[in-house]
Amino acid sequence: AQTVTQSQPEMSVQEAETVTLSCTYDTSENNYYLFWYKQPPSRQMILVIRQEAYKQQNATENRFSVNFQKAAKSFSLKISDSQLGDTAMYFCAYNTDKLIFGTGTRLQVFP
Amino acid sequence: DGGITQSPKYLFRKEGQNVTLSCEQNLNHDAMYWYRQDPGQGLRLIYYSQIVNDFQKGDIAEGYSVSREKKESFPLTVTSAQKNPTAFYLCASSIWGKDTQYFGPGTRLTVL
Repeated sequence: AQTVTQSQPEMSVQEAETVTLSCTYDTSENNYYLFWYKQPPSRQMILVIRQEAYKQQNATENRFSVNFQKAAKSFSLKISDSQLGDTAMYFCAYNTDKLIFGTGTRLQVFP
Repeated sequence: DGGITQSPKYLFRKEGQNVTLSCEQNLNHDAMYWYRQDPGQGLRLIYYSQIVNDFQKGDIAEGYSVSREKKESFPLTVTSAQKNPTAFYLCASSIWGKDTQYFGPGTRLTVL
C-alpha cells in the first residue's frame, strides 16, 4: 500500500530558530513528485515546496528546504528563521497518479 | 487573478437532503479533484477528473457524485446516502495527474 508517515504530531520552535519536520513514504514507483503543503487556521492548503523524484538536488524555496533521500524514502522539511506566520499544520504528500497525504504535523512558532 | 474558487464557504444541510458544492478554476488545468478532511486527519480523495466528461472514483466515493461538463467546473453533490457528511471539503486542480495540485479555500459542510 502507498503510505506517507509523519511521525511528529506536534512540534514547536522559537521565532528565528530552525526546525525540521520528518516525512517517510512507501512506494514502488520510480517516477513521482513530493510536496509539502501548509494549512494555516484559514484551512486553505498552500504549497510550500515541491521535489521531483528523478532530481537529486534538494529543492529550496526561500526559508524552506528539503532533505530528499530517495533510497531511504525520506523527505524532511527544514524551516529556517522561523516566523510567527509559519504556525500551521504541515502535510507531506507524494503523487504518482494520486496525491497521498500524511496525517500532518502541527507546528507552533513562539515569540 | 487566476485561481480556484469554492462556494459556499459554509453550508448547512438537514438530514436526507442532497447538497451541491461548487468548484471553479480559471487556471486552464485539465485535472480536478475533490477531497474530504476530517478533524485531525489528512485529506482523502473522493473523486477526480482528468478531462472533461470523464471522472473516476477516489478512495471514499460512496454517497457522493460529480460531473465535469466544462473544463473549469467540477461540482460535488453530497447525497443523502452519505452517512457522515459533516467535514471540510477541498477542491484542487492540476495541469496533469502527477504534477502540483493547487487548492481552493474549502467548504465547511455541517449536517443539522
